[in-house]
Amino acid sequence: EAGVAQSPRYKIIEKRQSVAFWCNPISGHATLYWYQQILGQGPKLLIQFQNNGVVDDSQLPKDRFSAERLKGVDSTLKIQPAKLEDSAVYLCASSLSWGNTGELFFGEGSRLTVL
Amino acid sequence: AQSVAQPEDQVNVAEGNPLTVKCTYSVSGNPYLFWYVQYPNRGLQFLLKYITGDNLVKGSYGFEAEFNKSQTSFHLKKPSALVSDSALYFCAVRDLSGTYKYIFGTGTRLKVLA
Repeated sequence: EAGVAQSPRYKIIEKRQSVAFWCNPISGHATLYWYQQILGQGPKLLIQFQNNGVVDDSQLPKDRFSAERLKGVDSTLKIQPAKLEDSAVYLCASSLSWGNTGELFFGEGSRLTVL
Repeated sequence: AQSVAQPEDQVNVAEGNPLTVKCTYSVSGNPYLFWYVQYPNRGLQFLLKYITGDNLVKGSYGFEAEFNKSQTSFHLKKPSALVSDSALYFCAVRDLSGTYKYIFGTGTRLKVLA
């Protein structure tokens, strides 16, 4: 079974530039999550999708971050314009469905460095 | 609000010795608790979970965790540590009060010394 795919693995940009990250969850997983992991901290949820609908985006900085999952499968997270404090690993995860008791399956992450 | 706390930033243990990584939680209602491990430059990998039932949960790679409701703890344990167990460990709780999101602790770095 293929795991959660993310790209790119690494990205270096200047502040005020834009960047986009892509995630393809495990086939059949209805719920998709984007987490931000700053060095030395635990993952922080940015946005949670159930199919193509947003369940929780309360911690997404909406003035600069956006995310979509148009067809309920893969997802894109965009940052525009980037700030120095956005330097982090962006983790995508998926699970079977919103209300089940199962665990999350994570991708390898996309490491962003903002200079 | 649901939360988890990992009181130790780092735990050092000698190879072959038992290890414990601590986690305490705060939830309203019954907790859904998880442990994940993260190796360098990798995503998080699921180790084990507690949903209901037996307080001692067994998981991957010989790890187990003990759920203690009175102490609101869910400590991760292994009887004999390996150098290859050295990694970052995260405890997580599932928020059942609204969006079912997973809330992660700050992580504990485990170093197993040869």
